Amino acid sequence: AQSVTQPDIHITVSEGASLELRCNYSYGATPYLFWYVQSPGQGLQLLLKYFSGDTLVQGIKGFEAEFKRSQSSFNLRKPSVHWSDAAEYFCAVGPTNAGKSTFGDGTTLTVKP
Amino acid sequence: GAVVSQHPSRVICKSGTSVKIECRSLDFQATTMFWYRQFPKQSLMLMATSNEGSKATYEQGVEKDKFLINHASLTLSTLTVTSAHPEDSSFYICSARGASGGVSRTQYFGPGTRLLVL
Repeated sequence: AQSVTQPDIHITVSEGASLELRCNYSYGATPYLFWYVQSPGQGLQLLLKYFSGDTLVQGIKGFEAEFKRSQSSFNLRKPSVHWSDAAEYFCAVGPTNAGKSTFGDGTTLTVKP
Repeated sequence: GAVVSQHPSRVICKSGTSVKIECRSLDFQATTMFWYRQFPKQSLMLMATSNEGSKATYEQGVEKDKFLINHASLTLSTLTVTSAHPEDSSFYICSARGASGGVSRTQYFGPGTRLLVL
């Protein structure tokens, strides 16, 4: 069965500092991996995705993520955080043959001025 | 591209009434749609998966007679909360995935519907 673990429930960084959000997955085959961001009261917006090829993927809003098969990880990074990046971030893997994707429990990012 | 809309964005209803939420894929054909429920400060809880023209597949513990899902076209799915009660108050989010190409493996989400049952 596939699963996603986001070890950090809450992360606080200062504006302008770098950011790394962790994501570990369990999947029986080559995974399709995603990062989404959710602002309060909003739906989820796709930041980036990995299907194959280059293991470093670039997304919107200056985010990037690196797929590391040996570590079963897909960590999200941003070199300089802006106050507007404060939100909930979800990592996801899938879909399976049943058509479902699995989402992590999310990481809440707080940005200090 | 790959835009999903939901309507209404928020709704307040009386206990015992039914509420319908619409989910539309605006610029792609969504062969599969998903309905999630999200409680405050929590992750997404998948309620059901629907494929166009087929009956929805409900997750364990989700009452299919209470949460009616219809996916009659490739661009529209509806969730009807029947005989709503205060405990049904929540944030409902739909998601859509296309049949082929770039939208075939990726779920695109609507903006969500806030339901309050009085």
